[in-house]
Amino acid sequence: GQNIDQPTEMTATEGAIVQINCTYQTSGFNGLFWYQQHAGEAPTFLSYNVLDGLEEKGRFSSFLSRSKGYSYLLLKELQMKDSASYLCAVRDSNYQLIWGAGTKLIIKP
Amino acid sequence: DVKVTQSSRYLVKRTGEKVFLECVQDMDHENMFWYRQDPGLGLRLIYFSYDVKMKEKGDIPEGYSVSREKKERFSLILESASTNQTSMYLCASSLELAGVYEQYFGPGTRLTVT
Repeated sequence: GQNIDQPTEMTATEGAIVQINCTYQTSGFNGLFWYQQHAGEAPTFLSYNVLDGLEEKGRFSSFLSRSKGYSYLLLKELQMKDSASYLCAVRDSNYQLIWGAGTKLIIKP
Repeated sequence: DVKVTQSSRYLVKRTGEKVFLECVQDMDHENMFWYRQDPGLGLRLIYFSYDVKMKEKGDIPEGYSVSREKKERFSLILESASTNQTSMYLCASSLELAGVYEQYFGPGTRLTVT
C-alpha cells in the first residue's frame, strides 16, 4: 500500500528553526509537495521537489532523498504566524497526490 | 491570483438528503479534484476530472458522484447523505497533473449530516 508518515505535532519557539520530516512509500514517484494549512483554511502550496537535494525559498527550505524515501521541510526564524499544519504529499505513478495526515506546528513565544 | 470558490462554508443536512457541493475556478485549469479531510487522516481523493464531462474515481468514490458540465465548475453530489459523510470537503484545481504545477484549493465546505 501507499503510505506517507509525518509527526502528528511539533512545538518550537519563536525565532528558532524547526525541521518537519516526511517519509513515504508509494507506487512510483513524480514529485513531492509541501503545503501549509492554517486552522479552518485551505492548504496553500509551499514547495516542490522532484530531484534530490535542497530547494530554498526564503525562510522555508525543502529537502528530498528519493533513495531513502525521505523529505523534510525546514522553517527558519520562526514567527507566530507559522503556527499551522504542514502537509506532505507525494505524486505517484498515476500522477495523483498521496497525502500525509499533516504535522501540527505550535509556535511558542 | 488563482481563485477557487466553494458554494458554502458550512452545511447541515439530514440523513438521506441529496447534497450538492459546488466548486468554481477562474484560471481555466483542466484538472479539478474533490477531497475529503478528516482528523488524523491525510486528504483523500473522492473524484477528479481532467476535462469537461470527464471524471475518474479516486480512492473513496462510494456514496458520491460528480458532474463537470463546464470547464470552470465541478460539482460533488451525495445522493443520499449518511452520517459517515460528515467531513470537510475540499475542492482543488491544477493546470497540469505532472510537473511543478501545484493544486490550488478552495476554502472548504464543512458538512455535517445529522
